[in-house]
Amino acid sequence: AQSVTQLDSQVPVFEEAPVELRCNYSSSVSVYLFWYVQYPNQGLQLLLKYLSGSTLVESINGFEAEFNKSQTSFHLRKPSVHISDTAEYFCAVSEGRSQGNLIFGKGTKLSVKP
Amino acid sequence: NAGVTQTPKFQVLKTGQSMTLQCAQDMNHNSMYWYRQDPGMGLRLIYYSASEGTTDKGEVPNGYNVSRLNKREFSLRLESAAPSQTSVYFCASREGQRYGYTFGSGTRLTVV
Repeated sequence: AQSVTQLDSQVPVFEEAPVELRCNYSSSVSVYLFWYVQYPNQGLQLLLKYLSGSTLVESINGFEAEFNKSQTSFHLRKPSVHISDTAEYFCAVSEGRSQGNLIFGKGTKLSVKP
Repeated sequence: NAGVTQTPKFQVLKTGQSMTLQCAQDMNHNSMYWYRQDPGMGLRLIYYSASEGTTDKGEVPNGYNVSRLNKREFSLRLESAAPSQTSVYFCASREGQRYGYTFGSGTRLTVV
């Protein structure tokens, strides 16, 4: 069965510092991988996704994630964070078959301090 | 704007009361989902509907029922609310396997 592990429940970081939010998954078949962001009191928004092809995927606001099949990881990175990046981030995986529902990790709260 | 609409946004129930959470999407998506979000637990799937006319249990279905009324609407019913059902409920829809979910803004439910 699939599972998603987000290794850090909270990550505090200073503004303009780099950040990495870690995500590992377990699956025996090919997968699709997603990162979602949830700002306070809002729903989840898709940040980026990996389906196939290039293992490095980017979002429009400077985040990137790299799919590593051998380590079954999909870590999210940003070289320089802003106060506005403060949010909870969820990693999710679905198996690459006809009806693979998304399985979510428990989330990582990113807190950016001035 | 196109998207997923949930009503109500907030609700307080007494133990034993019933209520229905409404969800509608206007993106012509086939699949719809209900999740609950609790602190430290992430999102857990309650029920889903892969297509109009079908529904299936997710990870935590006990105490809930669903209805896929038509392609647009997918409701979640609590027949006899319990304090353990205090949570934030999210509805989502999806165009297909290669697309992520589109989420509604959530319903914050408190059962006292």
